Amino acid sequence: DVKVTQSSRYLVKRTGEKVFLECVQDMDHENMFWYRQDPGLGLRLIYFSYDVKMKEKGDIPEGYSVSREKKERFSLILESASTNQTSMYLCAIPGGGAYGYTFGSGTRLTVV
Amino acid sequence: DQQVKQNSPSLSVQEGRISILNCDYTNSMFDYFLWYKKYPAEGPTFLISISSIKDKNEDGRFTVFLNKSAKHLSLHIVPSQPGDSAVYFCAASATHPGNQFYFGTGTSLTVIP
Repeated sequence: DVKVTQSSRYLVKRTGEKVFLECVQDMDHENMFWYRQDPGLGLRLIYFSYDVKMKEKGDIPEGYSVSREKKERFSLILESASTNQTSMYLCAIPGGGAYGYTFGSGTRLTVV
Repeated sequence: DQQVKQNSPSLSVQEGRISILNCDYTNSMFDYFLWYKKYPAEGPTFLISISSIKDKNEDGRFTVFLNKSAKHLSLHIVPSQPGDSAVYFCAASATHPGNQFYFGTGTSLTVIP
C-alpha cells in the first residue's frame, strides 16, 4: 500500500510563528503536492515539486514556501503564520487509484 | 477562476435512496475525472474515475456519468448508506498521470437512517 505520512494531525500555532509541515512518502515518486482544504473552497494547490530541489507554485502560494531536499520528503513552510492560514493541509502524491492521488491524513492547523 | 465546480454544498438523502452529486467543469482539455470521498480529520480517498473516452463507469453502488458536451459529470450512489455520509470532491485533469488535478468545492452528503 502506498503511504503518505504527515507528521502532525493537529497543530496550534501563534500568529507570526514559523511553521513547518512535513510530508513523507514511501513510493519514490518524483511528484509531490501540497493542498489546503477550506469549507466552500475545496482543495486548492499551494505548491508542488516534480523532483528534489525543484518546486513550482500552485494557485495560492502567497505566505508559503516549500523544501524538497530528499525525494521522499516535502515540507511546507509558513514563514510567518497568520490566522487566515488556519486550515486543513493535505499532502499528496500521484497513484493509489486509477492515476489519481494518494493523500496523507492531513494536518489541521489552527493559528491563534 | 474555479475550473471545477460543485454547485451544491450539501445534500441530504434517506437511507436506501439514490444520491446524485453533480460537478461541472469549464476546461475542455480535461480528459480524466475522479471522485474522492473525505471524512472529517482524514485525507480524501479515491472513489471512482472516468476517462473522456467513456460516458459511464460503474463500481458496485457507485456510478459516474460523464457528459462531455455539457462538461458535466455526476456521481450516483445506489442505495445510499449512512456510512456514505462524507464530503465528496470531484477532480479533473488534462492528459498524463501525475499532472495537476483541479478539485471542486465539495458536496457534503448526509444519509439519514
